[in-house]
Amino acid sequence: QQQVKQSPQSLIVQKGGISIINCAYENTAFDYFPWYQQFPGKGPALLIAIRPDVSEKKEGRFTISFNKSAKQFSLHIMDSQPGDSATYFCAASGGSNYKLTFGKGTLLTVNP
Amino acid sequence: DAGITQSPRHKVTETGTPVTLRCHQTENHRYMYWYRQDPGHGLRLIHYSYGVKDTDKGEVSDGYSVSRSKTEDFLLTLESATSSQTSVYFCAISGQGMNTEAFFGQGTRLTVV
Repeated sequence: QQQVKQSPQSLIVQKGGISIINCAYENTAFDYFPWYQQFPGKGPALLIAIRPDVSEKKEGRFTISFNKSAKQFSLHIMDSQPGDSATYFCAASGGSNYKLTFGKGTLLTVNP
Repeated sequence: DAGITQSPRHKVTETGTPVTLRCHQTENHRYMYWYRQDPGHGLRLIHYSYGVKDTDKGEVSDGYSVSRSKTEDFLLTLESATSSQTSVYFCAISGQGMNTEAFFGQGTRLTVV
């Protein structure tokens, strides 16, 4: 059972464009939703996270939008740069299940 | 960077041999995790620990065992390696509270031939 579904699997964006990655979850007990960024040969690193008491969180060019009723959340990367090219994972945890459950990842390529 | 060290970073082993991967942390974090990463599957939890000698299974635990005798060390053992266990293995740690940031190690690339 996949508790966090992520799409698209891959994404190609031109420099300066907006990258959008979507995730949907099933477990209503989830209350922590982080996004991780992973570069080749490296471990994932936390990019930005949100809790369901807010509908949006912005940090620089990165924004999480959260829709609790739809059980969906998304990552928006504004003014995408070639240096943003990486694999992005959404994740969720909450309640007694403090372990992070990850989506399958999105490979983002930003062309110069 | 969080103080997490995985060893070895690369290993090639033969089918049927035992293999132990080590994760060492200097952050005194309570929770430690082992994930495997495979193309098309993302990160899948193998085992995790919520304290010394306290461990539990994740979603893909078959064929793996773990031990945590000290706060700082979390060992992952493949009792008899199989080709399906060829993967990149990541250790992660997280702090005292639930639902806090998890920090990942650099990964161990394991090839079973």
